[in-house]
Amino acid sequence: GENVEQHPSTLSVQEGDSAVIKCTYSDSASNYFPWYKQELGKRPQLIIDIRSNVGEKKDQRIAVTLNKTAKHFSLHITETQPEDSAVYFCAASGSYQLTFGKGTKLSVIP
Amino acid sequence: DAGVIQSPRHEVTEMGQEVTLRCKPISGHNSLFWYRQTMMRGLELLIYFNNNVPIDDSGMPEDRFSAKMPNASFSTLKIQPSEPRDSAVYFCASSLALQGADEQYFGPGTRLTVT
Repeated sequence: GENVEQHPSTLSVQEGDSAVIKCTYSDSASNYFPWYKQELGKRPQLIIDIRSNVGEKKDQRIAVTLNKTAKHFSLHITETQPEDSAVYFCAASGSYQLTFGKGTKLSVIP
Repeated sequence: DAGVIQSPRHEVTEMGQEVTLRCKPISGHNSLFWYRQTMMRGLELLIYFNNNVPIDDSGMPEDRFSAKMPNASFSTLKIQPSEPRDSAVYFCASSLALQGADEQYFGPGTRLTVT
């Protein structure tokens, strides 16, 4: 089955700096790669996703890049704000189910 | 739409008791997923249904766990008998997945504590 590795497990950045979270996957058939944000005590919520026919996708301060050859994808957050502090999960899917990474706890220091 | 609804939000029970978690997916969604979240193991898929049919239950830890989806608007996850190691947050999610995976909408979760 699919295996998703996510790094780093924790990340601290100064407010206004950029944050990058990286994931690798094992199944070359995977074609859907979402990113979820989970605030403390809340449910995971989708923030951005990308499909395998696209190399990069941007939504305001958030961007995701995908390298299918190397089987890795990354989340980029620019101009970080305190409200970006949360746990971020990457996931990969080749069918209907998602395999999630272990998560990255992002702390934005004011 | 109210989103995915789960009940109860919190459950505290003693080891050996039966626990039933409930989920109402978003109306019109054809896929439903049960996840378990712990600090140690992260977010694990337990089972998922497509059009009310269980497709993959390979994530169900053992025979103590069972899940049903009798109709498109209701699903249950049952643990019998419960054990302390079952303590976790259980999420239900639904999706309108017509041609493969798509956005999953998570419910608020049920925090289960087994003493």
